[in-house]
Amino acid sequence: GAVVSQHPSRVICKSGTSVKIECRSLDFQATTMFWYRQFPKQSLMLMATSNEGSKATYEQGVEKDKFLINHASLTLSTLTVTSAHPEDSSFYICSARDWQGGTGELFFGEGSRLTVL
Amino acid sequence: GQNIDQPTEMTATEGAIVQINCTYQTSGFNGLFWYQQHAGEAPTFLSYNVLDGLEEKGRFSSFLSRSKGYSYLLLKELQMKDSASYLCAVNSPGAGSYQLTFGKGTKLSVIP
Repeated sequence: GAVVSQHPSRVICKSGTSVKIECRSLDFQATTMFWYRQFPKQSLMLMATSNEGSKATYEQGVEKDKFLINHASLTLSTLTVTSAHPEDSSFYICSARDWQGGTGELFFGEGSRLTVL
Repeated sequence: GQNIDQPTEMTATEGAIVQINCTYQTSGFNGLFWYQQHAGEAPTFLSYNVLDGLEEKGRFSSFLSRSKGYSYLLLKELQMKDSASYLCAVNSPGAGSYQLTFGKGTKLSVIP
């Protein structure tokens, strides 16, 4: 099946710094990628939809200036958490849809666990 | 708005059968997915239903009734490795693209 790779898997940073997370579709092209956030014992919450070549679409309550998304190519989207604070500590997961199989199944990256000290 | 409900936790015995229910109320519908998520890992795809009825895939089956806004995931011959969270997700029109809205997940514990 399709593969989505996410990097880094774990990152620890100091409060006030910025962190970049990369999401790559390895064997298919993804014009749209999705960024989710998951707090402990909670479900996946969609943060934003990343569109190749255009601005990302953010969900209500998600600060676009804090969570910068860039989707410069058909296989790469990046999420930058700017001026991170401890409350931003979470599990960030990217995903992309592979329409070749017909179902538009959503494939997930491995996730990135961010800890802000 | 979108509302997806599933039980928070379930416990079942190794070798048994368990059914995890999901009810949904969404703005638009274009299919329902079930994902498995082990602690600390990303979700993995289990099944997809877009038409009413039962889809069988090995030990896992999923059922959909669109008129009732209801789905269930059936796991047979439970194994210890099936202990995980099971997420119900509905595919519906989103901003610029169909997007998945996830339920809060059902944490399944399989005991010997």
